[in-house]
Amino acid sequence: AQSVTQLDSQVPVFEEAPVELRCNYSSSVSVYLFWYVQYPNQGLQLLLKYLSGSTLVKGINGFEAEFNKSQTSFHLRKPSVHISDTAEYFCAVHLVQGAQKLVFGQGTRLTINP
Amino acid sequence: ETGVTQTPRHLVMGMTNKKSLKCEQHLGHNAMYWYKQSAKKPLELMFVYSLEERVENNSVPSRFSPECPNSSHLFLHLHTLQPEDSALYLCASSIGLAGRETQYFGPGTRLLVL
Repeated sequence: AQSVTQLDSQVPVFEEAPVELRCNYSSSVSVYLFWYVQYPNQGLQLLLKYLSGSTLVKGINGFEAEFNKSQTSFHLRKPSVHISDTAEYFCAVHLVQGAQKLVFGQGTRLTINP
Repeated sequence: ETGVTQTPRHLVMGMTNKKSLKCEQHLGHNAMYWYKQSAKKPLELMFVYSLEERVENNSVPSRFSPECPNSSHLFLHLHTLQPEDSALYLCASSIGLAGRETQYFGPGTRLLVL
């Protein structure tokens, strides 16, 4: 079965600084990878996803992520954060073939300080 | 309304009560999901429906009973819940069950069991 580890439960960053949120997954077969964001009092919203092809994926709000198969990682990055990026970020993995289940990491709370 | 809506947004119930959570999607999707989001735990998939048929029951206790009368509506019937069932219950939908599909989430129902 697949699993996801988000290495940081909380990440505080100053406004306009760069940020990286780390995600590692475990699976013996091919996977699709996702990053979702949850703003306060809202449901989850897709930021970006990797299905195949180029390992650098660009998403909404200036975020991007890079799929690294050898390191089984899918870290999320943004070069300059804004106060409005304060939210909880979830990495998730789905098997390409097999169990039809999206498995989420525990989430990383990103706090942007002025 | 657009997207995925959930009612009620907040619910307080005693352990002997019976209540229902409602989810409606306005996206023309064929698959719907219930997730449980507890503090400090990853999102847990509870149930999956595809074209109104349940395709996944992720070892959920029988005090949670889902119902999908059509592809736009999903209910979660609750009875004799325990305090540990207090959580945010999220509904989601997707075009189909394929792993590459994006899931669209509602804002959730925050449930408190006393």
